[in-house]
Amino acid sequence: EVQLVQSGAEVKKPGESLKISCKGSGYSFTSYWIGWVRQMPGKGLEWMGIIYPGDSDTRYSPSFQGQVTISADKSISTAYLQWSSLKASDTAMYYCVRPLYGSGSYNGFDYWGQGTLVTVSS
Amino acid sequence: DIQMTQSPSSLSASVGDRVTITCRASQGISNYLAWYQQKPGKVPKLLIYAASTLQSGVPSRFSGSGSGTDFTLTISSLQPEDVATYYCQKYNSALLFTFGPGTKVDIK
Repeated sequence: EVQLVQSGAEVKKPGESLKISCKGSGYSFTSYWIGWVRQMPGKGLEWMGIIYPGDSDTRYSPSFQGQVTISADKSISTAYLQWSSLKASDTAMYYCVRPLYGSGSYNGFDYWGQGTLVTVSS
Repeated sequence: DIQMTQSPSSLSASVGDRVTITCRASQGISNYLAWYQQKPGKVPKLLIYAASTLQSGVPSRFSGSGSGTDFTLTISSLQPEDVATYYCQKYNSALLFTFGPGTKVDIK
């Protein structure tokens, strides 16, 4: 069974750094892209970026380029999303996602992590 | 940068009604479109991909259509468990994804 299990909720102060994780299991971790999606309180879904753990090829949404860093450690089947200096506006739920591959293309996200709530407040 | 819009932003319908949600891309995206359902407090769920392919396990009352710039998600007979926010999402071979703003569906 494919599972994406994310790290627990975080409460941080503005200016602090943070790295949250997403562990994949039940499939070949190095053969599938893993992405991240943000959902601010009461708002919609925003795609942030995606990484291929096999070779660390990473793509970012223009809205998030330079704001976060996506990485992966294939030895422990885990992807990461990190901030070097958090802002109050980073308060959100963050989901890791795995794209569905079929018919020669990727087609949306069929697997989602349970979400990690990040709260940034002084 | 391709933008996605959805209409309406919210709707209220009766149980058994046919419900249609529209998604529009600012440029043609072929059939590279997915639909998601997010129930309150829950993780989003993939309903439809490639504009009209029903994801495994999704009830057949959900259907999708469209190509190019205009797409629709239809619920043929609205059920109480369909109360949710629905999002469209475009994708492409470069693995760049964009969600629409969402449509909130309630029971009248």
